[in-house]
Amino acid sequence: QQQVKQSPQSLIVQKGGISIINCAYENTAFDYFPWYQQFPGKGPALLIAIRPDVSEKKEGRFTISFNKSAKQFSLHIMDSQPGDSATYFCAASMRGSQGNLIFGKGTKLSVKP
Amino acid sequence: NAGVTQTPKFQVLKTGQSMTLQCAQDMNHNSMYWYRQDPGMGLRLIYYSASEGTTDKGEVPNGYNVSRLNKREFSLRLESAAPSQTSVYFCASRERFNEKLFFGSGTQLSVL
Repeated sequence: QQQVKQSPQSLIVQKGGISIINCAYENTAFDYFPWYQQFPGKGPALLIAIRPDVSEKKEGRFTISFNKSAKQFSLHIMDSQPGDSATYFCAASMRGSQGNLIFGKGTKLSVKP
Repeated sequence: NAGVTQTPKFQVLKTGQSMTLQCAQDMNHNSMYWYRQDPGMGLRLIYYSASEGTTDKGEVPNGYNVSRLNKREFSLRLESAAPSQTSVYFCASRERFNEKLFFGSGTQLSVL
C-alpha cells in the first residue's frame, strides 16, 4: 500500500513531441505528489508538484494531471527537447510523515533531435 | 551557497570494511535524509532526521547507522560493508513547512 508504481521504465520521443509518464498509488492518505528530474551524475531536483485538491498544474512545458478517483497522476512534457533527456521520478508523501517521500522506480526519457 | 555537499564522490570498499559518508547543508534546513538509488529501484529512504538531535529509520535501514552531528551535518556509517550495499547514496535536506527536498550530487559506492 506504500508503493508508487511508475510507467514506462523508458521512453523515446522525437523533438517537439509530447512525453507522458504515468504513476499510480494505493494509499489514499498520500496528499503530496511531486515529480523529480535527474540528470546523469547529479542528484534529483524538484520539477513540479501537486496536491489532490486540484486536477491539473502547469509550469511552462510541464503539466501534472491528477485523477483522485483513479489514484493516478501523470507528467506531460509538451514540445519535448533534447535537454529534457533525463530520468524522471514520481513520488508521494502523506501529512505528518516528516516529508518522507515514496519514490517510483523512475522513467528514463530520451528526446531524439 | 553550496546547498547540500556530500563527500566522498566515489569510494571502493572491500567486504567487511567500514566507512562514513558525510553530508552537510548550508541552507539552515531542519530535516535531513539519506537515500540509496539502485538501477530499476528508484530511491529508497535509509534514515532521516526530522530535526537536530533526532533520527529515525526509513524503508531500508539494515546495515547502516546515522549521526546528526549538528543542524548542518548528517553522516551515514557502514560498519561492515557488504556487496549488497553497492549503490549510489544521496543526502537531502528540507526546511520546515516546505515539502521540497534538496539533494546532494551523490556518493557512488562499490563494495567488492
